[in-house]
Formats: sequence, C-alpha cells, structure tokens
Amino acid sequence: SQKIEQNSEALNIQEGKTATLTCNYTNYSPAYLQWYRQDPGRGPVFLLLIRENEKEKRKERLKVTFDTTLKQSLFHITASQPADSATYLCALEEASGGSYIPTFGRGTSLIVHP
Amino acid sequence: NAGVMQNPRHLVRRRGQEARLRCSPMKGHSHVYWYRQLPEEGLKFMVYLQKENIIDESGMPKERFSAEFPKEGPSILRIQQVVRGDSAAYFCASSPGVRRTSEAFFGQGTRLTVV
Repeated sequence: SQKIEQNSEALNIQEGKTATLTCNYTNYSPAYLQWYRQDPGRGPVFLLLIRENEKEKRKERLKVTFDTTLKQSLFHITASQPADSATYLCALEEASGGSYIPTFGRGTSLIVHP
Repeated sequence: NAGVMQNPRHLVRRRGQEARLRCSPMKGHSHVYWYRQLPEEGLKFMVYLQKENIIDESGMPKERFSAEFPKEGPSILRIQQVVRGDSAAYFCASSPGVRRTSEAFFGQGTRLTVV
C-alpha cells in the first residue's frame, strides 16, 4: 500500500524565514497531492492541491512543488509568522477497490519563534 | 453555509458501553469519510460512505465498529463495547462527490475517552 513519509521531528524556525516541509511517498503514482494544516484540538484544514502535471502551485505566502520522479512534494511558507505554527499534513489519494481514499501522512510540526 | 458538524465534541464512556459519534456533512456534500487519530499519530482512514451506501470500510476494525449514512440525517459511527484502546480523536470529513479533485472538509472531531 501507499507509504507517506513526513519528517516526524518538529521544525523550528525564526519569524520571517522560509519554512520548508517535505512529503515523500512510495508505491503509487498519485494524480494529485494535498496539504492541510492542523492546529491542536482541531480538525485539519485544506490549504493547497497540486496535480501531477503541475510542477508548482502558489497561494499567498504558500508554495507547493510536486516532483513525480522523486516522488516528493515540498511545502514552503515564506515570511513565516508565529501564527503559522501548527502541524502540516500531506495527503494522497489511494485506490481501494475502485474508490479513492484520501490518505494522510503523520504530519510535521512547525514552530515559528518570534 | 455551516461547515462539517460533529457532535459531541467530547465523549466519555466506561468500558463496555456504546459510543455514538455523529457527523453532519457540509450542505450539498454526499461523500463522508471517518478517520481516527491517536496522539502523535496520523489520521487513519476508517470508512468511506455515500448516502445509504458504504463504499469502502477497509480501515474499520472487523468487530464492534459500524458506520452508516442514512438518506436523512447525519452519518453515525458506532462503537459497541468500547475498550480503553478506542480512546482517540475521531474526525469526519465530507466532499462534494467529484472525486480525485476535491479537498476534504473536516469537522472539529469527537474526542472519545474510555475510562
């Protein structure tokens, strides 16, 4: 089955710097990849979706890249702020018996220090 | 347009009792997914439902767990004879039904504690 790897160690950065989070996957060629943000005690919130034929997607201070050869997606937050501190999850779809299930990585915790 | 509504937000059950978790999807959404999240772990898929149909329940434990999404009313995740290992956060997500291109909208979750 699909394996999705995100760095389990928290990423600590200084306010104003660019945060870069990594999502690696194996055993599948997804049609698209999604990134979500999850705050403690709350449900995940969708941020960005990138398709397999797109190299890069941007939304305000967020940028996602998708390298299907490396089987990797990078998620960047530029000019980071303490309010960006959260856990960031990547998600791929996994085919299962004809249906497609969003499958999530464990997430990487980002801590932005003022 | 209200988001995905889950209730209760917190549920405490004694071992052996039943737990019922409810999820009302976003208006116009016909697809519902249930996930379980343990501390320090990722979201684990449990079941995928459309109205009146279970599409995929490959992530559901074989015993004690069941789910439904009736024609009218919310989706229900039911756990019978709860054990301490069932303690977790249970999240419901909905999507409009155009699969492979749609993001999932999540509820705030139900935190189940089995004592």
